[in-house]
Amino acid sequence: SQQGEEDPQALSIQEGENATMNCSYKTSINNLQWYRQNSGRGLVHLILIRSNEREKHSGRLRVTLDTSKKSSSLLITASRAADTASYFCATSDSNYQLIWGAGTKLIIKP
Amino acid sequence: DAGITQSPRHKVTETGTPVTLRCHQTENHRYMYWYRQDPGHGLRLIHYSYGVKDTDKGEVSDGYSVSRSKTEDFLLTLESATSSQTSVYFCAIRRAGVDTGELFFGEGSRLTVL
Repeated sequence: SQQGEEDPQALSIQEGENATMNCSYKTSINNLQWYRQNSGRGLVHLILIRSNEREKHSGRLRVTLDTSKKSSSLLITASRAADTASYFCATSDSNYQLIWGAGTKLIIKP
Repeated sequence: DAGITQSPRHKVTETGTPVTLRCHQTENHRYMYWYRQDPGHGLRLIHYSYGVKDTDKGEVSDGYSVSRSKTEDFLLTLESATSSQTSVYFCAIRRAGVDTGELFFGEGSRLTVL
């Protein structure tokens, strides 16, 4: 079953602009994680936010979590061509099992 | 880089033939996972292992079996491949001592069943 649902499914922006992706989920979680996948490659972990955290930063990434709304957002600031990829959210339960969303495909136009 | 190698990276086979995908890790992690990735579905867990000879089913385990006779190798077998098993298969590990569920992935094995 699909827990996380990313929104939008696809996003195309100009280089330098900010990109925002959203993730909604259905059940209680231990943490929520964001991953990036470049075309034809494996997934790479970007950032994790625990259920008791509301916001987290890592470089140009900012993640927020609203457990009351069961939603998270990933903001990439000052986008670059190299940010072109698919982005996935995954929720982790207390047994560390991840449930994945279908992903957002991000295209950065030069 | 968590030292994960998947083989083969690409395979084309015919319906009804057996297929084995291998995941090899170099860092001696206890937890290993097999996922499949299909458009519109994200990643779906097939099987996972929490130690040598200790495995359990995921949400889409029908038609798949796994084995783990050594810590470093986790094999995924399709006993009789079907066209619905055409997919990209990813192996992942969870590092020991990391209690957050963060996964590290291999590069994937693209399987086409004709």
